[in-house]
Amino acid sequence: DVKVTQSSRYLVKRTGEKVFLECVQDMDHENMFWYRQDPGLGLRLIYFSYDVKMKEKGDIPEGYSVSREKKERFSLILESASTNQTSMYLCASSPDGWEDNEQFFGPGTRLTVL
Amino acid sequence: QQPVQSPQAVILREGEDAVINCSSSKALYSVHWYRQKHGEAPVFLMILLKGGEQKGHEKISASFNEKKQQSSLYLTASQLSYSGTYFCGTEFAGGTSYGKLTFGQGTILTVHP
Repeated sequence: DVKVTQSSRYLVKRTGEKVFLECVQDMDHENMFWYRQDPGLGLRLIYFSYDVKMKEKGDIPEGYSVSREKKERFSLILESASTNQTSMYLCASSPDGWEDNEQFFGPGTRLTVL
Repeated sequence: QQPVQSPQAVILREGEDAVINCSSSKALYSVHWYRQKHGEAPVFLMILLKGGEQKGHEKISASFNEKKQQSSLYLTASQLSYSGTYFCGTEFAGGTSYGKLTFGQGTILTVHP
């Protein structure tokens, strides 16, 4: 069974802390994505990676960075967490290609920054 | 550049039909549809490619109007299990094969007995 896992379901951090969110996929997918989900705004892409050590900014990269040292693992880093980064964070992966490139999502991490 | 979905919410009785629309201001290569149940991850429903056929999946089907850059998701004879938030994800024409999607804001579908 295809699987994307995220390190935590719930996380509470303080303003200014450095936060790491980890995502692991077991499908040997080339592409991995980080989204944040807020009510009424849908899923907004933060960063994505199309290969190990390769990354591109999404639509809302400010305040975030990412790391992909191994194919199966994609990390999202909040260098200095702020209250406006309180949100649901979803990781996804997909195979490369023009067709059949559906995205498989992890269960999400609900992050609260106090 | 985020596609616009309509309606924002719809309430149905079991057995009724619904249509959810997704409209983009940019030329599209493909449209994905996902459903997210409360507290769960989004799950892929189908993909429509430029130049491709209308797709179907049980009682859920979708179309892609390339001239209007619009896609519609059709849910017929709705069941309680159809309840959830539906998202369209659009892949813009002229892009790479990385599958980067821009999602709409979602449509909340509620089916009552």
